[in-house]
Amino acid sequence: GAVVSQHPSWVICKSGTSVKIECRSLDFQATTMFWYRQFPKQSLMLMATSNEGSKATYEQGVEKDKFLINHASLTLSTLTVTSAHPEDSSFYICSAPRKRVGDTQYFGPGTRLTVL
Amino acid sequence: AQSVSQHNHHVILSEAASLELGCNYSYGGTVNLFWYVQYPGQHLQLLLKYFSGDPLVKGIKGFEAEFIKSKFSFNLRKPSVQWSDTAEYFCAPPGMYSGGGADGLTFGKGTHLIIQP
Repeated sequence: GAVVSQHPSWVICKSGTSVKIECRSLDFQATTMFWYRQFPKQSLMLMATSNEGSKATYEQGVEKDKFLINHASLTLSTLTVTSAHPEDSSFYICSAPRKRVGDTQYFGPGTRLTVL
Repeated sequence: AQSVSQHNHHVILSEAASLELGCNYSYGGTVNLFWYVQYPGQHLQLLLKYFSGDPLVKGIKGFEAEFIKSKFSFNLRKPSVQWSDTAEYFCAPPGMYSGGGADGLTFGKGTHLIIQP
């Protein structure tokens, strides 16, 4: 089946630093990828849509200058949390739909970010 | 926009008990619905999906869901739960690729299911 990976699986950083999270589709091309965040004991919230070759689309309330998204290739999207603060600590998950009509999306294993 | 709601946020059951988790949708047109599961420390996995046809859908690990159009519901069921079913369960419209693109998913709030041995 389709596989999506994320790197790193967890990261701890100091407040004020920037952290980059990678999302890769390993066996299919994804012109679109999605980024979600999940707070403890809560549901996943869609943050943004990453589009290969164009700007990302952000959901209402998500700061685009804080959460920089780059979709560098057909298999890679990166999310950079800039000037991270403790309130940015969360579980970040990406997903990618495979280009088969009616197919579902495939989720990465997530990245646990802890900002001290 | 497609949206769903889940009304059981925390459920605690004993092993061998029967399970039913509620999911209601609030959009018209073609209705497609998915249930996802997130086991502790693991990533989100598809449990089962409904596109059309038989409203009773079988999924992995003995789970099933029934699409009831008149009730706008797609409840998840399992006749006899096991300790290993302890997980978070999410209902969602599929956000599937439709040929013109795909949409990000709007998940229900999720249900934290704990199975006691």
